Amino acid sequence: DIQMTQSPSSLSASVGDRVTITCRASQSISSRLNWYQQKPGKAPKVMIYEASNLQSGVPSRFSGSGSGTDFTLTISSLQPEDFATYYCQQSSVTPYTFGQGTELEIK
Amino acid sequence: QVQLQQSGPGLVKPSETLSLTCTVSGYSISSGYFWGWIRQPPGKGLEWIGSIHHSGTTYYSASLKSRVTISLDTSSNQFSLQLNSVTAADTAVYYCARSVSGSHDYWGQGTLVTVST
Repeated sequence: DIQMTQSPSSLSASVGDRVTITCRASQSISSRLNWYQQKPGKAPKVMIYEASNLQSGVPSRFSGSGSGTDFTLTISSLQPEDFATYYCQQSSVTPYTFGQGTELEIK
Repeated sequence: QVQLQQSGPGLVKPSETLSLTCTVSGYSISSGYFWGWIRQPPGKGLEWIGSIHHSGTTYYSASLKSRVTISLDTSSNQFSLQLNSVTAADTAVYYCARSVSGSHDYWGQGTLVTVST
């Protein structure tokens, strides 16, 4: 199975900050990388698909980049509703695997 | 608007079978895409269980493959999960989701399934 490793595991930031979360795959996955946002008690929501494509309806302050094994999710200016847990997921080969999550907290 | 509605028991006894159903509205599952299940143990991360193509082809997590079955019921526009011989380690919130090239764009509401006597 392809292992996905996110960093950091948790992050404290303030409204208006620019934040970056990284995700590394244990082998090349081309651009087959998706990012999800999950709030407590809710289902995950896809934010970015295939590394850099913004899902319909997602604010443009979210962006993704990377290919091969190294990927990043950037939020350009944090808003109060962005505080949540973020997961990366590879969709290159089954079994699809998720990162362990990054909890983004209010400073 | 595509919607996924989950149903099934929230409590299953050890060694028995966990069964959940996902009813899709706003899209015919026989028209395309994959339809899958993901779970999340309390306080932990997401685990992909498996998915089924609209043609009926299935893909499963290697660690669960011996115990899991995902099936389609196109007449009811539903797909289902069965997980056999459950233990406490299978306690989790189970989600159904639509998969488009491996990205899960529509999700069910989640069902907490507790394995306990």
